[in-house]
Amino acid sequence: SQTIHQWPATLVQPVGSPLSLECTVEGTSNPNLYWYRQAAGRGLQLLFYSVGIGQISSEVPQNLSASRPQDRQFILSSKKLLLSDSGFYLCAWSRRTGGYTFGSGTRLTVV
Amino acid sequence: AQTVTQSQPEMSVQEAETVTLSCTYDTSESDYYLFWYKQPPSRQMILVIRQEAYKQQNATENRFSVNFQKAAKSFSLKISDSQLGDAAMYFCAYRSEYGAGSYQLTFGKGTKLSVIP
Repeated sequence: SQTIHQWPATLVQPVGSPLSLECTVEGTSNPNLYWYRQAAGRGLQLLFYSVGIGQISSEVPQNLSASRPQDRQFILSSKKLLLSDSGFYLCAWSRRTGGYTFGSGTRLTVV
Repeated sequence: AQTVTQSQPEMSVQEAETVTLSCTYDTSESDYYLFWYKQPPSRQMILVIRQEAYKQQNATENRFSVNFQKAAKSFSLKISDSQLGDAAMYFCAYRSEYGAGSYQLTFGKGTKLSVIP
């Protein structure tokens, strides 16, 4: 069966520090991979998606970036965090059609 | 672009009773998927139920069922015999079958469901 792992679960980082969140999927190959952000009390916003190694599409201009160095690995990064980057970050995978399966999320607080 | 609207920010239901959460969407496409996701306090997003637009039969999963009205672009979720563990945020979501939109789930803003013991 397919599983998705996302870490860390919680992160507190100072403004201006770098960020690296990692997500890996097991039990499937060539998945579509996604990063979503959920601000407090709000819905989900798609940040990036990837349909293959090295292929990244950005939905929202910001100081975040994403990379997919391996088929089942998706990384969300920032060189310098802003206060506005605080939120709950969710990684997800899907096949070409159908629903998404989400990771357990990372709660990021920028102080 | 597709939009998903959940008009009920909050709802409550008595334990063991039935509740219906509303969702409408706007699209010009004929092939797509609709989903209901549950987000408990842990904030993990859990798939509750899915519906393919080409299927006329409404999807059911145990105590959860949907009323899919394609012409009206309506997709409501009915929870029967509500349990305390059903308390959560519920998100309605849309995904295109084809094209660039097929890479993205479009979410509604959510409905917070409380279950009263």
